[in-house]
Amino acid sequence: RKEVEQDPGPFNVPEGATVAFNCTYSNSASQSFFWYRQDCRKEPKLLMSVYSSGNEDGRFTAQLNRASQYISLLIRDSKLSDSATYLCVVWPGGGNKLTFGTGTQLKVEL
Amino acid sequence: EPEVTQTPSHQVTQMGQEVILRCVPISNHLYFYWYRQILGQKVEFLVSFYNNEISEKSEIFDDQFSVERPDGSNFTLKIRSTKLEDSAMYFCASSERDRAHGYTFGSGTRLTVV
Repeated sequence: RKEVEQDPGPFNVPEGATVAFNCTYSNSASQSFFWYRQDCRKEPKLLMSVYSSGNEDGRFTAQLNRASQYISLLIRDSKLSDSATYLCVVWPGGGNKLTFGTGTQLKVEL
Repeated sequence: EPEVTQTPSHQVTQMGQEVILRCVPISNHLYFYWYRQILGQKVEFLVSFYNNEISEKSEIFDDQFSVERPDGSNFTLKIRSTKLEDSAMYFCASSERDRAHGYTFGSGTRLTVV
C-alpha cells in the first residue's frame, strides 16, 4: 500500500461547482496532515493544515478521519483559478520529512 | 511575504558533470530541506538540515549528493557525477519550527541531464 494515496483525476468541473478530493495514508501513527496546491511546473504551496476537528478556510474545508486514515478536501463555488493539482501531504512523525501523495488534478471550466 | 529563493531556475548539464543548486532560505528559519520531483511523479524527500548538520536523509540521498550551508544565508545541494535519471525539479524549503507546521518552498531548479 502506498504511503499516501490519491485519485490522480483529472476532475473536470464547471465554475461554481462543489468538488471533493480524498486521500488515504498507510501509517496510523502519522502526526500532521496538510493540503498543498501545485500549479503546473511550480512549487507546492501550503493550502491548509488538517485537524481532527475539521477546519475551514473560506471556500475550502478539510477533514481528517484518523480511524479510517482518511483526509478530505472540499472546495465550494469553484473558480477558474482553483485549477491546479492538490497534494495530500502527511508528516509520519519520528523524523523531519513530509510524505507527498501524487496529487489530484482539478480543472475548473466555464 | 518572505520567500525562499533558488538559483538557477533551469540548469542543463552533461552526464557525469557536477552541479550545485543554490538556495537562500527565509532568514529566521532554522530547518532546511531539499526535495525533488521527477516530471509526472510525486514530490520526494531528499534531506533535511538543522543546526549545521544533516538531520535526516532518504534512500535517494546517496554518496552522489551532499549539502552545505557555506555561510549564514546560502544552502546548497551538490550532485556529483550526474546521471540521466537525476533530471527533475529540485525544490528547496525551509521552516521556522519543525515540520508539523508546514514548509515554504522555493520556486525550484529544473535540472536537465543530457
